[in-house]
Amino acid sequence: SQTIHQWPATLVQPVGSPLSLECTVEGTSNPNLYWYRQAAGRGLQLLFYSVGIGQISSEVPQNLSASRPQDRQFILSSKKLLLSDSGFYLCAWSVHRDNSPLHFGNGTRLTVT
Amino acid sequence: RKEVEQDPGPFNVPEGATVAFNCTYSNSASQSFFWYRQDCRKEPKLLMSVYSSGNEDGRFTAQLNRASQYISLLIRDSKLSDSATYLCVVTPSGGYQKVTFGIGTKLQVIP
Repeated sequence: SQTIHQWPATLVQPVGSPLSLECTVEGTSNPNLYWYRQAAGRGLQLLFYSVGIGQISSEVPQNLSASRPQDRQFILSSKKLLLSDSGFYLCAWSVHRDNSPLHFGNGTRLTVT
Repeated sequence: RKEVEQDPGPFNVPEGATVAFNCTYSNSASQSFFWYRQDCRKEPKLLMSVYSSGNEDGRFTAQLNRASQYISLLIRDSKLSDSATYLCVVTPSGGYQKVTFGIGTKLQVIP
């Protein structure tokens, strides 16, 4: 069966520090991969999605970036965090097929201080 | 108009009650529809897909109305454990990468 791992679970970082969140998927090949952010009391905002290695699409211009160095690995990064980057970051995967749902990792709760 | 709209609630209902949520979407070309459940400070989890003919999973019934562009979720015999936020999800045809989530409807089942 497929599993998705996301780490760390919680993170407290000072403003201006770098960020690296990692997500890996097991049990499937060539998944679609996504990064979402959920601010406190708000809906899910799509940040990046990827349909293959090295293929990244950005939905919202900001100081975050994403990379997919391997088929089942998706990394979210920032060179300098802002206070507004605080939130709940969720990685998700889906199969390359219409009508397929997303499956989420446990999420990373990031607090920028 | 937002792509996907939901009443954020909260809906406070007694145990055993029947409750229904609606979700409207703006893109008439939308192809796939889902309901997710999100517990406080947890990740969303797939509750059920929504099919054109409607579908049922135990106490949960999902329906799609393409003409009026909304989907619904009906929960019968509410349990305390049903307390959560229910997210509506819409995907356009051929656009599995353009999944759009509603803000969610918060349900609180009261003893």
